Amino acid sequence: KQEVTQIPAALSVPEGENLVLNCSFTDSAIYNLQWFRQDPGKGLTSLLLIQSSQREQTSGRLNASLDKSSGRSTLYIAASQPGDSATYLCAVNTGGFKTIFGAGTRLFVKA
Amino acid sequence: GAVVSQHPSRVICKSGTSVKIECRSLDFQATTMFWYRQFPKQSLMLMATSNEGSKATYEQGVEKDKFLINHASLTLSTLTVTSAHPEDSSFYICSARRGRDTGELFFGEGSRLTVL
Repeated sequence: KQEVTQIPAALSVPEGENLVLNCSFTDSAIYNLQWFRQDPGKGLTSLLLIQSSQREQTSGRLNASLDKSSGRSTLYIAASQPGDSATYLCAVNTGGFKTIFGAGTRLFVKA
Repeated sequence: GAVVSQHPSRVICKSGTSVKIECRSLDFQATTMFWYRQFPKQSLMLMATSNEGSKATYEQGVEKDKFLINHASLTLSTLTVTSAHPEDSSFYICSARRGRDTGELFFGEGSRLTVL
């Protein structure tokens, strides 16, 4: 059974700091992995999608990596800003319409 | 990027009434949509998979007679909470995957249901 774990559960950093959020999964047989951002009381916004054959994806200040063999993905945020404060979730697509979500990392960037 | 729209964003109803929430994929066809429930400070809980033109697939423990799902077209799925009770108060979110199994997953804005 696929399990997805995100560490840390919460993180508080000063503005401008580079940071890494971690996501691990127990079964490497995945179709893809997706990182989302959720603001309080809102839906999820897709940040990056990494297919199983890819190693990383980049969008602006965000870079996500995928190491399927070790069951790990990281989301790197460069030069963090207060507007980056949100909950970040990773989601593993295992196929068959099944997507397993991590519990999320709550990020707070202090001005 | 692709957009999934959910309506209403907030709804307050009296106990015993029914509430319908709509989920639309605005710029792609979605043969499959997903409905989730989210409790405060918790991750998403998949309730059911909505299949266009056929019955929804419900997760274990989700009452299909309480949470009616209709996926009448390739761009619209609806969730109806029937005979709502205060314990049904929650944040409901829908999603749709663009393309096939490897496509990107997009979410609606969520609907906050409060049952008085």
